[in-house]
Amino acid sequence: ETGVTQTPRHLVMGMTNKKSLKCEQHLGHNAMYWYKQSAKKPLELMFVYSLEERVENNSVPSRFSPECPNSSHLFLHLHTLQPEDSALYLCASSQVLRGGQETQYFGPGTRLLVL
Amino acid sequence: ILNVEQSPQSLHVQEGDSTNFTCSFPSSNFYALHWYRWETAKSPEALFVMTLNGDEKKKGRISATLNTKEGYSYLYIKGSQPEDSATYLCAFRQTGANNLFFGTGTRLTVIP
Repeated sequence: ETGVTQTPRHLVMGMTNKKSLKCEQHLGHNAMYWYKQSAKKPLELMFVYSLEERVENNSVPSRFSPECPNSSHLFLHLHTLQPEDSALYLCASSQVLRGGQETQYFGPGTRLLVL
Repeated sequence: ILNVEQSPQSLHVQEGDSTNFTCSFPSSNFYALHWYRWETAKSPEALFVMTLNGDEKKKGRISATLNTKEGYSYLYIKGSQPEDSATYLCAFRQTGANNLFFGTGTRLTVIP
């Protein structure tokens, strides 16, 4: 449970606000991920950082801006969000191995409500 | 976006019953299939990573099988207990990709 932590756990923000979600992993992993889960939809990958470099950005709107200052920390900066961005945002980490089927370890998520 | 389907969407069973549910995924370019268990307000917890056709994995009362040729995996729970109540997610990984593609999950409720 404490391997990947996320703060805050709940966030309510207006459409003109700027806020940031924080994720920290204590597992010594070299890759971190942001996922979004909207109601009744599957987990959807937003961003992947491997060795602190962004390797995947699945056409996420620019109002979501990730930052990975080191291998243990990942941020998601939020700016001028829309009500449809209300969702559960999950962070995950993994140790990327050559030819491996590495497991991703998840945090508990931040429940975001945009008013 | 790849289509990963899980059925049923939700399931209620009595304590002590055994149950199973399905994950369907594309049969081409298979790399790995993951199963996760997700309790409400907690982190998804990894159960299994499966890579070989015909593979079978077991963890306590929970087991899973894999058929990569036809594109499905089954998760079995023997003698369900109330603490097994959770959403069970499967996730598919394609050859050469970093992404995991998740299904929407099967929500299991075990009634005492």
